[in-house]
Amino acid sequence: AQSVTQPDIHITVSEGASLELRCNYSYGATPYLFWYVQSPGQGLQLLLKYFSGDTLVQGIKGFEAEFKRSQSSFNLRKPSVHWSDAAEYFCAVGAGTASKLTFGTGTRLQVTL
Amino acid sequence: DAMVIQNPRYQVTQFGKPVTLSCSQTLNHNVMYWYQQKSSQAPKLLFHYYDKDFNNEADTPDNFQSRRPNTSFCFLDIRSPGLGDAAMYLCATSRVGYEQYFGPGTRLTVT
Repeated sequence: AQSVTQPDIHITVSEGASLELRCNYSYGATPYLFWYVQSPGQGLQLLLKYFSGDTLVQGIKGFEAEFKRSQSSFNLRKPSVHWSDAAEYFCAVGAGTASKLTFGTGTRLQVTL
Repeated sequence: DAMVIQNPRYQVTQFGKPVTLSCSQTLNHNVMYWYQQKSSQAPKLLFHYYDKDFNNEADTPDNFQSRRPNTSFCFLDIRSPGLGDAAMYLCATSRVGYEQYFGPGTRLTVT
């Protein structure tokens, strides 16, 4: 069975600073990988996805993620964080197809001004 | 804009009183999902429909049921809500093999 680990429960960064959120997955085959963002009381919004091909994927809101098979990682990055980026971030892996997702426990991002 | 809509956004029900949550989509996706998300936790898949085929997760309590009368609509029925069922309920849709799109969620309170 697949699993996802987000080792950082809570991260605080200053506005304008760079950001990296870590995600490690466990899955026997080539995974489908996703990052979602959730603002308080809201649903999940897809930031980006990796299915195959280029291992550096670009998403919305200036986010990118890099798939590293050798490290079983799919870390999310942003070069300059904005106060509106404060939210909960979930990494997820799809088994076989994207249809059944396993989520990590999430990383809460706080942005200080 | 194509989207996933959930109604109501907030629902208060009494202990043991049946409640139905609604999800509709304009994306014409053939897969629809229901997730339960408790405070500070990841979403947990309850079940999903692939067209009309219902797929229940092994650990989803019998108290939770679902209906999908057509492609656009899907309902979550909680037959006898307990205090432990208070949560955010998220609906999502996708085409098979593609990413899921989530609705805004319904916050359920059980009194």
